[in-house]
Amino acid sequence: EDQVTQSPEALRLQEGESSSLNCSYTVSGLRGLFWYRQDPGKGPEFLFTLYSAGEEKEKERLKATLTKKESFLHITAPKPEDSATYLCAVLSNAGNNRKLIWGLGTSLAVNP
Amino acid sequence: DGGITQSPKYLFRKEGQNVTLSCEQNLNHDAMYWYRQDPGQGLRLIYYSQIVNDFQKGDIAEGYSVSREKKESFPLTVTSAQKNPTAFYLCASSNAGRAGGYSPLHFGNGTRLTVT
Repeated sequence: EDQVTQSPEALRLQEGESSSLNCSYTVSGLRGLFWYRQDPGKGPEFLFTLYSAGEEKEKERLKATLTKKESFLHITAPKPEDSATYLCAVLSNAGNNRKLIWGLGTSLAVNP
Repeated sequence: DGGITQSPKYLFRKEGQNVTLSCEQNLNHDAMYWYRQDPGQGLRLIYYSQIVNDFQKGDIAEGYSVSREKKESFPLTVTSAQKNPTAFYLCASSNAGRAGGYSPLHFGNGTRLTVT
């Protein structure tokens, strides 16, 4: 069964304390992996798309990487404004039936 | 600025009433989607539409209906048949993806529906 698991569920960091969020997946035929940021009471905001193992994308303090089994979202020297829930979604292609599977998210809090 | 507008932000209804959630986009995207978000669960797809006058059921379509009469608009009706309608509803849109791929979704800011 296709599955996406994010860990940890919640993470609290001090400002400047770097860390990583994990998104592990078991899907049939990976077609792409997506990272989103969601602030409370708002819709998710697109961050990155990764298509193949070894690919990396960066944006400000965020860097996303992809292997054959998982993706990491590295946060370098985070600031309080990076506090949000980070969602991972994987596009599978089982039997030519594309489906987007969402993880439950990691809630990140960065203390000043 | 281009984007997706969902209205209203908060909606309250009595059990047994149908209610329609609005979603409008000016991104010129072909595809539009409705998701439901509940605490402790990932986003779940209700309906999607890849072209005007056509739409398909998602994973949890029971108790919901949609229409796609215009490219810009994709309203969702939550009917009285939906057993647990209280949730945060998200509308999204996307371009046609690259060959074999998938264009990222652009989301609205949601409508929180409470049914009592």
